[in-house]
Amino acid sequence: SQTIHQWPATLVQPVGSPLSLECTVEGTSNPNLYWYRQAAGRGLQLLFYSVGIGQISSEVPQNLSASRPQDRQFILSSKKLLLSDSGFYLCARSDTGQGDIQYFGAGTRLSVL
Amino acid sequence: GENVEQHPSTLSVQEGDSAVIKCTYSDSASNYFPWYKQELGKGPQLIIDIRSNVGEKKDQRIAVTLNKTAKHFSLHITETQPEDSAVYFCAASRGYSTLTFGKGTMLLVSP
Repeated sequence: SQTIHQWPATLVQPVGSPLSLECTVEGTSNPNLYWYRQAAGRGLQLLFYSVGIGQISSEVPQNLSASRPQDRQFILSSKKLLLSDSGFYLCARSDTGQGDIQYFGAGTRLSVL
Repeated sequence: GENVEQHPSTLSVQEGDSAVIKCTYSDSASNYFPWYKQELGKGPQLIIDIRSNVGEKKDQRIAVTLNKTAKHFSLHITETQPEDSAVYFCAASRGYSTLTFGKGTMLLVSP
């Protein structure tokens, strides 16, 4: 089973507070992992992707960072949230030998107030 | 880089009608074209994909066509049902690289 776990499902945070969103995957080794943000219910913006432990590529400069401490774990973080960080955050995976086929998790709805 | 345009942004049809969503891409080296369906509050679900070595692929009521010369591809849904209502995204990639997504089409199927 190719399962992607994201938590929490919903999060409300004050401006200036830190953020940590976690994504873990099951059923595969050495997956490629991705973080996307979706604003206003439409459009998927790639934020970060990782091809292995400790390897992070950033697509868009911003207030966020990502880390991959374990093969099947991908973390999205911020030291100080901005109002503009609100959105729907999605983790995705692609598997060895199928590098371009991506599967998405259920997402985290973040509201920064 | 790759640019993917998707039309229309909203599509309303009656139950039983067909629906067609079209996408164009800019990078002639792109060779993988997936389509995703996203229901409200959920993550996108891969529903069908096509590679550049074929022109058409079908899966029950869903089909995708690809015109490499014109650099466009389309999603066709026949005999639409209310549960087909969702936002649909197209995407393109060169293969073993990141996906570039269209902005999405909200499909509304009225009973």
